[in-house]
Amino acid sequence: DQQVKQNSPSLSVQEGRISILNCDYTNSMFDYFLWYKKYPAEGPTFLISISSIKDKNEDGRFTVFLNKSAKHLSLHIVPSQPGDSAVYFCAAISNSGYALNFGKGTSLLVTP
Amino acid sequence: DTEVTQTPKHLVMGMTNKKSLKCEQHMGHRAMYWYKQKAKKPPELMFVYSYEKLSINESVPSRFSPECPNSSLLNLHLHALQPEDSALYLCASSDRGHDTGELFFGEGSRLTVL
Repeated sequence: DQQVKQNSPSLSVQEGRISILNCDYTNSMFDYFLWYKKYPAEGPTFLISISSIKDKNEDGRFTVFLNKSAKHLSLHIVPSQPGDSAVYFCAAISNSGYALNFGKGTSLLVTP
Repeated sequence: DTEVTQTPKHLVMGMTNKKSLKCEQHMGHRAMYWYKQKAKKPPELMFVYSYEKLSINESVPSRFSPECPNSSLLNLHLHALQPEDSALYLCASSDRGHDTGELFFGEGSRLTVL
């Protein structure tokens, strides 16, 4: 049962524009939400996270928004750069658990 | 040191071989994980060790055998694997006291079973 869903398998954005990656979840017990970025043949690298008690977290070009009532979060990348081209995984974890629940990922392509 | 180091980076083995994947971290993290990732799929959790004890086994076949010799090391012993076990095997660690729940992943061991 997929508790974290990324419904867009791919996204293409022009360099300099905003990239918006979306994620939905079903488990209201999740306490933290994280975004990981993955290049081919490499392990995922942590990008940014947000606690369930917040609605926004910003780190440089990356901002994550959380809408708890809609069980939805999004990652905004502004401005997008070609080096941002990768697969982005949304993940969630509860304080009582150890394991991350991953979405299926969204492949972002930033074109020059 | 914020690295999780995995060896080997690539491994090719036959179905009758016995091999091991190794993972090391020196961040003092008390939880360590093995994930399996197939192409274009999210990582799938296999095992979780917490304070050197196996706390989660996600119904993984016995041909995969994890071992945690100490708090810095995590091994995955492989025996009698099948071709469908070919995948990227990711090790990760976390500090359960860390408030973001962030996992630190290694670069993975690419396994090919012939």
